[in-house]
Amino acid sequence: EVRLVEWGGTLVRPGRSLRVSCEASGFTFDDYAMHWVRQPPGEGLEWVAGITSNSDNRVYAGFVKGRFTISRDNAKKYLHLEMNSLRPEDTAYYYCTKDERNIVSTIDYWGQGTQVTVSS
Amino acid sequence: SSELSQDPAVSVALGQTVRITCQGDSLRNYYANWYQQKPGQAPVLVFSARNNRPSGIPDRFSGSTSANTASLTITGAQAEDEADYYCSSRDSSGYLLVFGGGTKLTVL
Repeated sequence: EVRLVEWGGTLVRPGRSLRVSCEASGFTFDDYAMHWVRQPPGEGLEWVAGITSNSDNRVYAGFVKGRFTISRDNAKKYLHLEMNSLRPEDTAYYYCTKDERNIVSTIDYWGQGTQVTVSS
Repeated sequence: SSELSQDPAVSVALGQTVRITCQGDSLRNYYANWYQQKPGQAPVLVFSARNNRPSGIPDRFSGSTSANTASLTITGAQAEDEADYYCSSRDSSGYLLVFGGGTKLTVL
């Protein structure tokens, strides 16, 4: 059974940094691309970033604008999202997700999410 | 604004058929996928244009694409199908993913 468990979400001040992480299990982690998707309160889904299996290709949504970095540790089966210069509009549930292939394709599994709140 | 457009809300009578649509230029070149999200839960993939229905998804869910419009059809909608539905595909560059704004389905 595929499991994705996120952690690291918390209340953070504007302008500060935060890293959210995810531990994967139930599949061969280093065979698949992974993504982060976020959902602001009461709003829809927004794709944030994706990374291929060996980290050679990382892609980001336009609104990231160099502030976020996606990374992975295949030995530990971890996915990370480092977020810098956080803004109130980054407040959202952040979901760790798995792609069905090793390219940007189709998200087939989701974690339960971790809440990030950016507020003074 | 999203590159994929969805109607904000759709309703269907219990047992009837409903079509939820998603429009975008990138759909002329890339597959659309559909996700169901119930309140307080993570989204679930209900239809993948490449692999169709994942295991455990009822066969009343089906998908199709014509030109720049993708559709998710629920044939014989059930009360438990009431949820938000999101389409997703690659963007026009082909390198990024995008989601539609979501459609809230009400089963009457």
